[in-house]
Amino acid sequence: GAGVSQSPSNKVTEKGKDVELRCDPISGHTALYWYRQSLGQGLEFLIYFQGNSAPDKSGLPSDRFSAERTGGSVSTLTIQRTQQEDSAVYLCASSLMRSGYGNTIYFGEGSWLTVV
Amino acid sequence: AQRVTQPEKLLSVFKGAPVELKCNYSYSGSPELFWYVQYSRQRLQLLLRHISRESIKGFTADLNKGETSFHLKKPFAQEEDSAMYYCALSLGGSQGNLIFGKGTKLSVKP
Repeated sequence: GAGVSQSPSNKVTEKGKDVELRCDPISGHTALYWYRQSLGQGLEFLIYFQGNSAPDKSGLPSDRFSAERTGGSVSTLTIQRTQQEDSAVYLCASSLMRSGYGNTIYFGEGSWLTVV
Repeated sequence: AQRVTQPEKLLSVFKGAPVELKCNYSYSGSPELFWYVQYSRQRLQLLLRHISRESIKGFTADLNKGETSFHLKKPFAQEEDSAMYYCALSLGGSQGNLIFGKGTKLSVKP
């Protein structure tokens, strides 16, 4: 596709419910990233995929958060038993290879999650 | 620990004035640094990277390893420069992600 695509763009959910956020990276990009953007907190790294494997899960804030990537393409970020502090914009990004070494990371428009 | 610090949450200047957005980093390895920009209602996008030593939209940034800084500069600010600016550090190696600062909101007044 032309860019990183994320869905849904907006999601309002009740506390305690599970949510799934989807990311469609740029075609051919092997690296995929999830970040969380909260007011006043900047961008918080969550997880990084190289192909289908996730060598770096260090940023996942709790075991309620999980992510998977299938076919080296689409990724899903799942938040179980959502809490109000999970409210944020969840950004997905992709790059041709891992970041650095001159590779540019391209971001999606984000999924705005509100937990009420 | 790796860290990116942007000391100013908000920077307000008048059109035509010089602007400098500060960024300091903490990293024991060889850093690769970037500036990303997010205009209102748009997605986050790369502005420039230090390895390219380029000028984009009149902005430049020089990596100063002695001061561990990567400040973003523009001699004459324009209203369309108003946006959120993020400094980012690539860890490289087996870690593929970027570490971002908390961002500086630049407001250019007419």
